[in-house]
Amino acid sequence: LAKTTQPISMDSYEGQEVNITCSHNNIATNDYITWYQQFPSQGPRFIIQGYKTKVTNEVASLFIPADRKSSTLSLPRVSLSDTAVYYCLVESGQNFVFGPGTRLSVLP
Amino acid sequence: GAVVSQHPSWVICKSGTSVKIECRSLDFQATTMFWYRQFPKQSLMLMATSNEGSKATYEQGVEKDKFLINHASLTLSTLTVTSAHPEDSSFYICSASEGTADTQYFGPGTRLTVL
Repeated sequence: LAKTTQPISMDSYEGQEVNITCSHNNIATNDYITWYQQFPSQGPRFIIQGYKTKVTNEVASLFIPADRKSSTLSLPRVSLSDTAVYYCLVESGQNFVFGPGTRLSVLP
Repeated sequence: GAVVSQHPSWVICKSGTSVKIECRSLDFQATTMFWYRQFPKQSLMLMATSNEGSKATYEQGVEKDKFLINHASLTLSTLTVTSAHPEDSSFYICSASEGTADTQYFGPGTRLTVL
């Protein structure tokens, strides 16, 4: 069961790039790393998923080093609407444990 | 694609009554559905995992007789909170995936308030 560790909170300004790092030292060979975004009183929204190296989509990039013991979610040029809680999840079969997430506050 | 709906979005009930929450995958077949509970300012806590046609697997500390889960079809799972009490008031979120190791897609959540 891979436990994840993230910073509890981060502040940023509009237009900046935000990088949120998640540690998952016990990740297993078959595990994928998935990031979700959650606004208050809403269900989490899928952002990006990766296994190794770098993955990019229209919303974010995900960087995973060779040892896969950590991952970094990169949000380019954040806006006020990106203020949310971001969860890193290591999908391990049927064991899905959400950490406390990172509360990102984007300031004007 | 990958849309998951929940109904109702908000429900208020009296203590001692039962409440049923539906979770539907609208555009894909969900072999596996998950039910989470989230208290204010806290992270999601997995309650149970259900596979279509099988009994749900409950996480430690979750009463299976209180939180009844049915996953009778590939697009529908229901969570029934039986004999609800004020401490059951929470935000209940379901997710669905096409397989146990596939990406989860979450519903919008159901806010339950027990008076």
